[in-house]
Amino acid sequence: SQTIHQWPATLVQPVGSPLSLECTVEGTSNPNLYWYRQAAGRGLQLLFYSVGIGQISSEVPQNLSASRPQDRQFILSSKKLLLSDSGFYLCAWQGMGGSSYNEQFFGPGTRLTVL
Amino acid sequence: GNSVTQMEGPVTLSEEAFLTINCTYTATGYPSLFWYVQYPGEGLQLLLKATKADDKGSNKGFEATYRKETTSFHLEKGSVQVSDSAVYFCALWGANNLFFGTGTRLTVIP
Repeated sequence: SQTIHQWPATLVQPVGSPLSLECTVEGTSNPNLYWYRQAAGRGLQLLFYSVGIGQISSEVPQNLSASRPQDRQFILSSKKLLLSDSGFYLCAWQGMGGSSYNEQFFGPGTRLTVL
Repeated sequence: GNSVTQMEGPVTLSEEAFLTINCTYTATGYPSLFWYVQYPGEGLQLLLKATKADDKGSNKGFEATYRKETTSFHLEKGSVQVSDSAVYFCALWGANNLFFGTGTRLTVIP
C-alpha cells in the first residue's frame, strides 16, 4: 500500500533562516506530487505541483521553491524565511488510475512557525 | 474557471444533531467532487467523493449528492458525534488539480 511521509512534524525557525521540508512517497511510482500551505484559520493554498523528476509548476509567486530530485521525493525550500511563511504545510500525491484517479492523498503535515 | 464556495462556519452542534455543510462549485465540464476531513493536528483525509451527476458519496454516516442542476455537493450527517469535530473541505477536480473551499470547522459538544 502507498504511504506518504513528511518531516519534520514541527519546526520553529527565525526570520531570515533557510528552510527545507521533505516529503517522500512509498508504494507508488511516478506520482504527481503537491505542496499546499494552510495558514491559521484559512483554507488550503496550492504552492507547487510536480508531474515528474525535475518538473515543478508554481502556483503563486513567493519566496519558496520546490524541487523533485527523485521520483518519490519532493522538497520545499526557502533561502530566507518571512513571518508570513508560518503555517501548516501539506504534501500530497495523486492517485493515477482506477477508482483512485484524481484523488489526492495527504501526508501528516509540517507545522512551521517563523519568529 | 474552477472554484468552490463552502459555508464558512464555525459550526457548533450538540451530539446527535443533524449536520449540513453547504458547498457549491463553478467549473467547466463535469468535475469530480470531494469532501475531505482534517482532524486536529493532522493532514487531510478523503471522506467521500462523487464522480458524476446524481452520484451519492457516503462514508462514516456522512453523505453528499452531486447536484448538477444546482452545482452543489452539500455534506450531511443525520446524527453527529463528538469525534466528528474537525475541519471539512469541499473540493473539485479540474485542470489537473484539486480546488479546495476554505473549510468549515465543526465542533460537536456532548
